[in-house]
Amino acid sequence: AQSVAQPEDQVNVAEGNPLTVKCTYSVSGNPYLFWYVQYPNRGLQFLLKYITGDNLVKGSYGFEAEFNKSQTSFHLKKPSALVSDSALYFCAVRPLSGGYNKLIFGAGTRLAVHP
Amino acid sequence: DAGVIQSPRHEVTEMGQEVTLRCKPISGHNSLFWYRQTMMRGLELLIYFNNNVPIDDSGMPEDRFSAKMPNASFSTLKIQPSEPRDSAVYFCASSRGSIYEQYFGPGTRLTVT
Repeated sequence: AQSVAQPEDQVNVAEGNPLTVKCTYSVSGNPYLFWYVQYPNRGLQFLLKYITGDNLVKGSYGFEAEFNKSQTSFHLKKPSALVSDSALYFCAVRPLSGGYNKLIFGAGTRLAVHP
Repeated sequence: DAGVIQSPRHEVTEMGQEVTLRCKPISGHNSLFWYRQTMMRGLELLIYFNNNVPIDDSGMPEDRFSAKMPNASFSTLKIQPSEPRDSAVYFCASSRGSIYEQYFGPGTRLTVT
């Protein structure tokens, strides 16, 4: 079955430190990969995506993610965390076989950045 | 662009009543998605449309739920009759196509008492 795993329910990091939010996937072929962020009482906002090309993609608010085909991972990273980065983060994949542009979402990881 | 528009933003209703949620996708987007988000079950895809045609409704919980997209600029999600376990935040999202990201609306917070 196709799935996305975010192994950490919560990630805690001090402001100014680097952060990583992990995502691994299990789908056939090379999927399209996405990261979204959700602030309290808001809809999901798109952060970045990997379609093809350079494995390191850069997105909004200083976030970046690295596609690793051999490890089937797409971890989200930021060199220096801000308190305002505290939110719920979702990884999503779009399998290339069928399904139009239906996305499979992970369960989400709550990021807490402490002053 | 105004983004994806959803109405109402909040809905409180009694068990057994009919509830209709509305969505206006971003102009030019040809795919529309309805999601439900709860603490217990996370984010669930209920149904999605491509060019106004329902493609996959396997996530619709039961026959009490129905969705329509009569034209490219409007969609509804109806629950009849509503039950307390339907309480959740319902999101609508739209997209231009497979390599493009989905844009989410602000959501409708539904409370069924």
